[in-house]
Amino acid sequence: KQEVTQIPAALSVPEGENLVLNCSFTDSAIYNLQWFRQDPGKGLTSLLLIQSSQREQTSGRLNASLDKSSGRSTLYIAASQPGDSATYLCAVGGSARQLTFGSGTQLTVLP
Amino acid sequence: DVKVTQSSRYLVKRTGEKVFLECVQDMDHENMFWYRQDPGLGLRLIYFSYDVKMKEKGDIPEGYSVSREKKERFSLILESASTNQTSMYLCASRGEVGSSYNEQFFGPGTRLTVL
Repeated sequence: KQEVTQIPAALSVPEGENLVLNCSFTDSAIYNLQWFRQDPGKGLTSLLLIQSSQREQTSGRLNASLDKSSGRSTLYIAASQPGDSATYLCAVGGSARQLTFGSGTQLTVLP
Repeated sequence: DVKVTQSSRYLVKRTGEKVFLECVQDMDHENMFWYRQDPGLGLRLIYFSYDVKMKEKGDIPEGYSVSREKKERFSLILESASTNQTSMYLCASRGEVGSSYNEQFFGPGTRLTVL
């Protein structure tokens, strides 16, 4: 059974810093991996989707990488801003219809 | 722009009431999902559907049922609401192409309180 782990559970950084969020998964037979953002009391917003054949995806200040063989993905946020404060979740898609989610990293960017 | 909408942002019900949570997506997605999210427990899958009138149990289906009469609409039903069903409920949809699955999108969530 696929398991997804996100470390650390919480992270606090000063504004302007570049940062990396980590996601690891136990079964490398995945189809894709998706990063989400969740603000308190809201639904999840899709940030990036990486297909298994891709190594990375970029959107603005966000860059997500995927290393299937080692079971890892990272989300890089450049020049962090207080508005980036949220919980970030990664989710892995395999042959099943449903995604397997990590428990998230709660990010606080201090002004 | 993909849109997943949920019928209510906030809902307050009494113990024993029958509760309907509605979800609609406008992207012609085959797959729709209902999750609940509780502090410290993360996202847990209740039910999902991969076609009209088709449903499959997720990790925590007890106390819930679902209905999918039309492709765009997926309803979650609490037959007799209990206080331990107080939670944030999230609906999602996901398309598929051949044997692979695409990006998943979520609705804004329904905060349900059962008194």
